Amino acid sequence: EPEVTQTPSHQVTQMGQEVILRCVPISNHLYFYWYRQILGQKVEFLVSFYNNEISEKSEIFDDQFSVERPDGSNFTLKIRSTKLEDSAMYFCASSESLPDTQYFGPGTRLTVL
Amino acid sequence: ELKVEQNPLFLSMQEGKNYTIYCNYSTTSDRLYWYRQDPGKSLESLFVLLSNGAVKQEGRLMASLDTKARLSTLHITAAVHDLSATYFCAVKNTNAGKSTFGDGTTLTVKP
Repeated sequence: EPEVTQTPSHQVTQMGQEVILRCVPISNHLYFYWYRQILGQKVEFLVSFYNNEISEKSEIFDDQFSVERPDGSNFTLKIRSTKLEDSAMYFCASSESLPDTQYFGPGTRLTVL
Repeated sequence: ELKVEQNPLFLSMQEGKNYTIYCNYSTTSDRLYWYRQDPGKSLESLFVLLSNGAVKQEGRLMASLDTKARLSTLHITAAVHDLSATYFCAVKNTNAGKSTFGDGTTLTVKP
């Protein structure tokens, strides 16, 4: 069964460093998303992406964040200068169409020291 | 701003009992999703509800949507230990992809 994959599973970085989180969505899906979940808290929407551009972003997704689909398979989230409060689990998701089921990847745990 | 409230936030049940989790939201939407999350794991999609009166069932779980009341319910029938997890509802109120999640209901089913 097709699945969303994410790498790395755990990333440790120093405050102020740049990180890139990678995702490979399900191949025939057209909509891509990033979410984050701080430990023990609810899931927060960051950004949705369609047709090679951002379709919506939350207030969390400030200028420090960017997304890219550099080729036909990868979907990346870049945090330019990490802060302590960026420590969280980051989930990538994809869906075939907008109202459809979103399939989530296993997540990347980001720890900022 | 869309707000999504779930209750209860914590639920401890005996095996074999029935219970309902409620998800209220503050603005008009006809797109509501239920997810399950096991500890330390990702989210698994359970139900997609896209119209008023929608009802979906899978095993011991049944979800419904009342868009006029801005309410969705997740009903658990004859709970078993394997249902222990955190359940999130999420609402989309735009056509561009943003979902707003509830705080989650952590369900523990005891023998």
